[in-house]
Amino acid sequence: YELTQPPSVSVSPGQTASITCSGDKLGDKYASWYQQKPGQSPVLVIYQDRKRPSGIPERFSGSNSGNTATLTISETQAVDEADYYCQAWDSSVVFGGGSKLTVL
Amino acid sequence: EVQLVESGGGLVQPGGSLQLSCAASGFTFSASTIHWVRQASGKGLEWVGRIRSQGYSYATAYGASVKGRFTISRDDSKNTAYLQMNSLKTEDTAVYYCTRYPGDRMAFDIWGQGTVVTVSS
Repeated sequence: YELTQPPSVSVSPGQTASITCSGDKLGDKYASWYQQKPGQSPVLVIYQDRKRPSGIPERFSGSNSGNTATLTISETQAVDEADYYCQAWDSSVVFGGGSKLTVL
Repeated sequence: EVQLVESGGGLVQPGGSLQLSCAASGFTFSASTIHWVRQASGKGLEWVGRIRSQGYSYATAYGASVKGRFTISRDDSKNTAYLQMNSLKTEDTAVYYCTRYPGDRMAFDIWGQGTVVTVSS
């Protein structure tokens, strides 16, 4: 099972960034999203498609339907610049290849 | 404070062995499923394997690239999980993270800081 993400996504400060994650019938599974900044461990930002852990800003949201899960970051800030990974379960844990979000 | 702390990384020759540890604090370790995830330099996240709790008979599962070479275990009395790595290959070089997977979230909600494993002659 494979999850496909765009290698890079660019957004202007204050605008909305959308990062997609595609997989066969992904909408039938739960998708999670992780943020990873250089030299740091991943941080969970979205779980069960659209839920935010405590401490994650409301500008982070998620959706999952059909073959695509989407992480949306509203009013993107420079601090949001990072690599983002989607993750789901098939017969085992699967991660997407990661998307580098650039805020410029 | 809820945290996981990995240790045991280092330099090892191809074909060698290494054991990593993952010490937990701040939560009920014995009831938790612990996974190991690795990340080669400049690359993405790769699932290594997991160990479930006593309630699930400490069941383990492994990724295809490490199956048969790596073994995950745990000592609940020490709040510690282990990753025994044998027959190491240069492609096993990576940062190794342990992470918690609570069933009610179905996601990895706590990650350690990672420990670096370098396999090289």
